[in-house]
Amino acid sequence: SAVISQKPSRDICQRGTSLTIQCQVDSQVTMMFWYRQQPGQSLTLIATANQGSEATYESGFVIDKFPISRPNLTFSTLTVSNMSPEDSSIYLCSVGTGLTYEQYFGPGTRLTVT
Amino acid sequence: GESVGLHLPTLSVQEGDNSIINCAYSNSASDYFIWYKQESGKGPQFIIDIRSNMDKRQGQRVTVLLNKTVKHLSLQIAATQPGDSAVYFCAEGYSGGGADGLTFGKGTHLIIQP
Repeated sequence: SAVISQKPSRDICQRGTSLTIQCQVDSQVTMMFWYRQQPGQSLTLIATANQGSEATYESGFVIDKFPISRPNLTFSTLTVSNMSPEDSSIYLCSVGTGLTYEQYFGPGTRLTVT
Repeated sequence: GESVGLHLPTLSVQEGDNSIINCAYSNSASDYFIWYKQESGKGPQFIIDIRSNMDKRQGQRVTVLLNKTVKHLSLQIAATQPGDSAVYFCAEGYSGGGADGLTFGKGTHLIIQP
């Protein structure tokens, strides 16, 4: 499986500010996704990061709040904009090769908004 | 929308015993299912997956069973070890939509008692 890293691993941010989270994979992958995991909860898909085109967002998530970039097949960013305490969560990227349906996750970014 | 859910939030078993974690899904269009293990402070770790054209798949100490008639999925862990203590999530996906992300269940916290 691919080795996935995320930066930062954690951060504490003030409300109203924005944070950009990076996801780096050690090999080219077809699919990259962003998930949110609120404290003590399960994972919820935010969007599919498409290389060379706009991300595909799930219901309840919008581009203005969670802009996503994917400039190539090994890297993606998720920005959490105009943060509020309700955005305090773990944000995870996952990747899939497209050859199978397996998805592998990064270690996550733990965000606390005060 | 349709969701994946689990019957038990916490499961406690004796070290060396077998454990069974259950999951119900409601989206009949889902055609692949994945079990993940998440340890505290880490991202979900892929354990095993199964396609809808199968009813059983075995890995190392783990077996996944799929009953499409009642939309039920289970993960059996043989001879549990202290390192098996974690939260386990089932997730479902649909290959017909292209690069779709996963829908996760609520999670079961497996506790291994010495």
